[in-house]
Amino acid sequence: SQELEQSPQSLIVQEGKNLTINCTSSKTLYGLYWYKQKYGEGLIFLMMLQKGGEEKSHEKITAKLDEKKQQSSLHITASQPSHAGIYLCGAFPQGGSEKLVFGKGTKLTVNP
Amino acid sequence: DADVTQTPRNRITKTGKRIMLECSQTKGHDRMYWYRQDPGLGLRLIYYSFDVKDINKGEISDGYSVSRQAQAKFSLSLESAIPNQTALYFCATSDLRTSGTNEQFFGPGTRLTVL
Repeated sequence: SQELEQSPQSLIVQEGKNLTINCTSSKTLYGLYWYKQKYGEGLIFLMMLQKGGEEKSHEKITAKLDEKKQQSSLHITASQPSHAGIYLCGAFPQGGSEKLVFGKGTKLTVNP
Repeated sequence: DADVTQTPRNRITKTGKRIMLECSQTKGHDRMYWYRQDPGLGLRLIYYSFDVKDINKGEISDGYSVSRQAQAKFSLSLESAIPNQTALYFCATSDLRTSGTNEQFFGPGTRLTVL
């Protein structure tokens, strides 16, 4: 079964700093979703990457998909306290399964 | 108004009790899901349904049952709750017809504690 490993597990940064979160798949990626979760709340869809080399941005958050490396990275520029939360990546396993598999999440703390 | 709602938001119960968690959606989506989230384990799929007549087990369905009463409603039941079912439960919806990316939309979660 496909597994998604996120790194780092947790991250503490000072406001204004840039940061990167990685999501690595044990199998070929056919698309990857990024979600953000505020502590104890529901998940908010950020973006989906479907093609190798694809890059998408939403405000100060940019995500890229590297199919060869079976990896996606999420980069936040000039972090703000509002960026704090848990970031999760999700993907559909190879073979067209309809069951979305999630990484365990990266907890981001942004200190003012 | 929220598109995906869950009730209750918080529940404390005792071992052996029957519990039902409810999920409603106004998005008109045909697919609905139940997940649980545990610290260090991430999100795990319990059950999913692609339409009213379709119910499928996820990776951790033991001890749970579901009912898809209508396209908009998907309930999760714990017939006899046990302490290791203490978790944060999420309902989600999706619809490949309206979204080519098939992203899932999540409810706010139900925090369940089994004593």
